[in-house]
Amino acid sequence: AQSVTQLDSQVPVFEEAPVELRCNYSSSVSVYLFWYVQYPNQGLQLLLKYLSGSTLVKGINGFEAEFNKSQTSFHLRKPSVHISDTAEYFCAVSGPRGDDKIIFGKGTRLHILP
Amino acid sequence: DAGVTQSPTHLIKTRGQHVTLRCSPISGHKSVSWYQQVLGQGPQFIFQYYEKEERGRGNFPDRFSARQFPNYSSELNVNALLLGDSALYLCASSRGTGGNNEQFFGPGTRLTVL
Repeated sequence: AQSVTQLDSQVPVFEEAPVELRCNYSSSVSVYLFWYVQYPNQGLQLLLKYLSGSTLVKGINGFEAEFNKSQTSFHLRKPSVHISDTAEYFCAVSGPRGDDKIIFGKGTRLHILP
Repeated sequence: DAGVTQSPTHLIKTRGQHVTLRCSPISGHKSVSWYQQVLGQGPQFIFQYYEKEERGRGNFPDRFSARQFPNYSSELNVNALLLGDSALYLCASSRGTGGNNEQFFGPGTRLTVL
């Protein structure tokens, strides 16, 4: 079984500063990893995903994440945040089987300070 | 192309009542998944359907049921509502099953149980 831990429930950061949202996972098999964003009163939107290959994954809106198998981490980063990045961010993990479901973390709320 | 649509947007019910939530997937997507998102938490997997068959079920009581129709739309039914069923219910569609199939989320149905 897989599980996901998002280490920070809230992250405040000044506008135009860099940010890192931390995610650790556990799994006994190979995994697929995802970051989703949820803006207020909306559904989830996929930011980026790691399926295989290069460990550095680039996504939409200037976000990127690095898969680190030895540390079982998949941290999300952005070099310069904007007010529009204010949202809830969810890390998620799934397995390779057809019946594997997506397991979400509890989320990290990103607060952009002016 | 239209995204995933869900109806209704909001719903208020009282304890003991029954509710039906509806989801229309993106055209060409044959898989629909349902998630429950309680305030302050990440989405929790409820069901996945593919080609009208249940392919996965999360840790939810039998009061929760679902079905998928020939046009791949889906309904989630919850009987004997409890206060704890108050949540945002998200539907996601994908082309197939398995973690490497990107899931596209609808805006959700917010259910309030009084």
